[in-house]
This record gives sequence, structure tokens and C-alpha cells, in this order.
Amino acid sequence: SAVISQKPSRDICQRGTSLTIQCQVDSQVTMMFWYRQQPGQSLTLIATANQGSEATYESGFVIDKFPISRPNLTFSTLTVSNMSPEDSSIYLCSVGQAGGGYGYTFGSGTRLTVV
Amino acid sequence: SQQGEEDPQALSIQEGENATMNCSYKTSINNLQWYRQNSGRGLVHLILIRSNEREKHSGRLRVTLDTSKKSSSLLITASRAADTASYFCATGLTGANSKLTFGKGITLSVRP
Repeated sequence: SAVISQKPSRDICQRGTSLTIQCQVDSQVTMMFWYRQQPGQSLTLIATANQGSEATYESGFVIDKFPISRPNLTFSTLTVSNMSPEDSSIYLCSVGQAGGGYGYTFGSGTRLTVV
Repeated sequence: SQQGEEDPQALSIQEGENATMNCSYKTSINNLQWYRQNSGRGLVHLILIRSNEREKHSGRLRVTLDTSKKSSSLLITASRAADTASYFCATGLTGANSKLTFGKGITLSVRP
């Protein structure tokens, strides 16, 4: 299965600033997924990132707030823009497996605290 | 919106006992997956069961799927303190590379 390196693992940021989270995969993958996990909650999908096209955002998430880049088949970034304390969450990237038979691999997560 | 609903939301058992967690979902699915998360870290895939399967085993894990009831259960046998974690079910509506919809999660505590 794929291995994902996600950075940073945690950060404390001032409100109004932006943070870019990076995910590097050790193999080429078609689609990458970005999730948010608010404190004590489950995972909510932010967007699906395809290489060479704009990301597809879920209801409640917009590109201006969460711009995503997908420059190649092994890398993606998620930016959390103009942060407020409500953005304090764990952010995770994920990739599926070829054939869909082995579940999905997740990055180790970025724990973001906005003060 | 959440697709899956797990119950119980929290479970505390003694080491060596079995833990059973249930998940219900609302729509037709292609597959259902279970994941474990330790202390707010990344998720680890445990097991995947397809909609045309009824039961699957992997080591101490046994998962069942009842598509007529839109429910699944995860059984962990002979639990260990290291099994203490949050467990999530997630449904995939289509095949490979479909997005997953997660349930709310179950917090399992295994007492030594």
C-alpha cells in the first residue's frame, strides 16, 4: 500500500494567517482526498483533488478558504486561509488503492490550533 | 452529512474480552471499511468488506455486513490494551477511488 508523508504534524497559528499542509505519496495516485476532523468529531471530506484539474469541493467548503494544489500524481497541498479559531482541527490527506480492494491510506494528520 | 452511525459511542471492556461495534448506514454502498485512530493521529485501515460479501476475517477481527439492514458489525476478539483507540466505519458508494463517508466513531477502552 502507498505511504504518505504529511507535513507539518502540528502547528499553532495566529488568526488571520494561512497555513499550507503538504502530502507526498510514494507512488502515483489518481485521486487524493482532504479531510477535516474537528475536536472529538469524525472525519468530514473537504475536497477531492485530481491531478491536472480543479479540486472538487464538498458542500460547505469553498476554494477561497481551502485552496488545493495537485501539481503531479504524487503531491498535493491544502491551504487553510484567513484562519479563525473555528479552523482548529486535524487535517488529513488520503489516497485510495488501485482496484479499491485494500482500503485507503491516510497521512499522519496535521493538528492545527488557531489562537 | 454523516453516512454511518456507530454504536455504542463508547465502549469499555477488560483485556481478553471481545468488543463488538456496530455501524448503520443510509444509502446503497459498494463497500464498507473499518478504520482505527489512535489519539487523534492518522487512520489505519483495518478491513474492507464489499457489498456482495457477508462476512470477513482478518486476524482477531471479524466484520459482518447486512445490506438488507444497512448495517455492519466489527468484532475484536481477545482484546488487548493496545486496541484502545477510536474506531470508524466508512462507506464507499462506488468502486476504486470513490470518496469515503465516515461515521461518528466509537471510542474503545481496553482495561489491562
